[in-house]
Amino acid sequence: DSGVTQTPKHLITATGQRVTLRCSPRSGDLSVYWYQQSLDQGLQFLIQYYNGEERAKGNILERFSAQQFPDLHSELNLSSLELGDSALYFCASSTAGVYNEQFFGPGTRLTVL
Amino acid sequence: DQQVKQNSPSLSVQEGRISILNCDYTNSMFDYFLWYKKYPAEGPTFLISISSIKDKNEDGRFTVFLNKSAKHLSLHIVPSQPGDSAVYFCAATLDSGTYKYIFGTGTRLKVLA
Repeated sequence: DSGVTQTPKHLITATGQRVTLRCSPRSGDLSVYWYQQSLDQGLQFLIQYYNGEERAKGNILERFSAQQFPDLHSELNLSSLELGDSALYFCASSTAGVYNEQFFGPGTRLTVL
Repeated sequence: DQQVKQNSPSLSVQEGRISILNCDYTNSMFDYFLWYKKYPAEGPTFLISISSIKDKNEDGRFTVFLNKSAKHLSLHIVPSQPGDSAVYFCAATLDSGTYKYIFGTGTRLKVLA
């Protein structure tokens, strides 16, 4: 158990819909990272928050957005969903500092029908 | 543009033998590399890392080798055990202040009893 929790575990929805994925980082971790893993792909970095502020953006679509709340939990919002958005979405957290290991949650599997 | 590549999607090894997983990268600015292991239905878990100022790092049965001139790193597992069967991802990061990971596509290791 990494200490990072993600809800829900599975999500099935239809094209055009909007969903919210939730992540609670390990206690004390200020950084939250979101990654997407599509079929046969590595994990693609989407976005990072540090202590409530956006720190870095990867190849995140404009239909996707995220935020980190004062209690440090984070939400990833996916809207106008398309079939190609079906993937595993992982959240990771780390403490501040150089090259700290990231701890990953179990992921949310999103299926868009 | 895949900056971190794992060209072998799968590898089978007999129990007790050595497993060698390979990873190539294109960005010479990467200065920290990590290996993660992933079991089905779980998030990736950290295995071992290496800084670009080193060429080898060892932790028990796991050793990572870095060849900067060839932009290549490898993970050696000796001796391999059935419990090592998992997908292994290599990742790289920059000293950019964000420390987001760039992941390879993974290699599925199967250790045969």
